[in-house]
This record gives sequence, C-alpha cells and structure tokens, in this order.
Amino acid sequence: GQQVMQIPQYQHVQEGEDFTTYCNSSTTLSNIQWYKQRPGGHPVFLIQLVKSGEVKKQKRLTFQFGEAKKNSSLHITATQTTDVGTYFCAGGVGYGGSQGNLIFGKGTKLSVKP
Amino acid sequence: KAGVTQTPRYLIKTRGQQVTLSCSPISGHRSVSWYQQTPGQGLQFLFEYFSETQRNKGNFPGRFSGRQFSNSRSEMNVSTLELGDSALYLCASSLAAGSAEAFFGQGTRLTVV
Repeated sequence: GQQVMQIPQYQHVQEGEDFTTYCNSSTTLSNIQWYKQRPGGHPVFLIQLVKSGEVKKQKRLTFQFGEAKKNSSLHITATQTTDVGTYFCAGGVGYGGSQGNLIFGKGTKLSVKP
Repeated sequence: KAGVTQTPRYLIKTRGQQVTLSCSPISGHRSVSWYQQTPGQGLQFLFEYFSETQRNKGNFPGRFSGRQFSNSRSEMNVSTLELGDSALYLCASSLAAGSAEAFFGQGTRLTVV
C-alpha cells in the first residue's frame, strides 16, 4: 500500500545545532501536514503545505514541500531543549479531504543535549 | 476553550474482553477521527466520523467499530481483545470534514493482558 517514509528514525543533537527530518512518498501527495508529539504527550498540528515547492516558516522551523509533491522536509535552526519530541509528517493521498486520506510517517524522534 | 477529552486515560483489559473508549471533541467541532499508535506501526488511522456518519475507515478488522452521537461525541469499541490491541488510542477533532488542522486528545492507553 501507499507509504510515507520518514528519516531519520532518531536524531540526537547538541543544543544549538540544526536538525532536519525528511518525508518521502512514492506517489504524489495532495498535501503534507507536520505534527509534533512531546514525550508522553499527543500529536500537535504544526502546519499544512499544499502547493508544489511551498516553503513556510514558523520562527526557527522551516517547512518545505517538494516540487513534485512527493517529499517534504522540516528544518529546525539552532535547536533548543524545548524542541525535544517526535516529529511526524502526514501525506494526503487523494482529494477527499478526509483524515482517512492521511498517511502518517513513523516519525523522527529528536533528543537535544543541553 | 476546552480541548479534546478522552476517557478513560488508562485501561487494562484481559484478552477476549471488549472495551469502549470515549472522545469529546472541541466544542463546535463536528469531525472526529480515531487513531491507533504503537511503537512498531506508528500512527494508524481507524475511522472518521462527521455528523454521525462514518466517512472513512482504515484497514482494521471488524472488531474495531465506532459511532458518533448528535452532540459530536464519539465512542470506539473493540471486541474480543487481543494482546496486539495494546496501544495508545488517539482521538482527533476538527471543525469540519476535510479541515486541515486536527486537534488530538491525550489518548487512552489500553493494555491487554
């Protein structure tokens, strides 16, 4: 079936270093969403990208959607300990707009050493 | 405003039993989705409800069922529990079907022994 592959699975960084997680799909996505889940917490919606080549920024976070709408990345500049958690991407397949049309990646678990 | 509320937060059941989990969406939200989260499989979509109608269903056996009430509250039921059903069950609400932003509840941690 359709899958969204997310890499790396784990990332350990020193506070202040940058961090990037990547999502790749074998098929064209209608949109991509990103979520953050703190340890012991629940996923929190960060952003949705819809357009080919779209780039959006939220403070130190930069989100990109590839030109072919098959890949996406989340980049965090100068990580802080508050960035700790698992970052998930969710690719939209089809155009029904249903949550059921989202395929979640398995997430990248980020740990930050102070 | 209050967030998505899931009850109970923790549950321990025995194989073969059944379980009902509850989700109260954010006030005004009419779409509710359910997910199963496990370390091995990650987040997997179970079903989505909008205005009391199941809009979409994931690839789970018929032992997993759900419903939505007129006040948008939702329940999911798992019958004949198996050890592999142990997971965090998350409910997410959104304003309408197809809304981009989904708000997740804290989840129900189900352990089957």
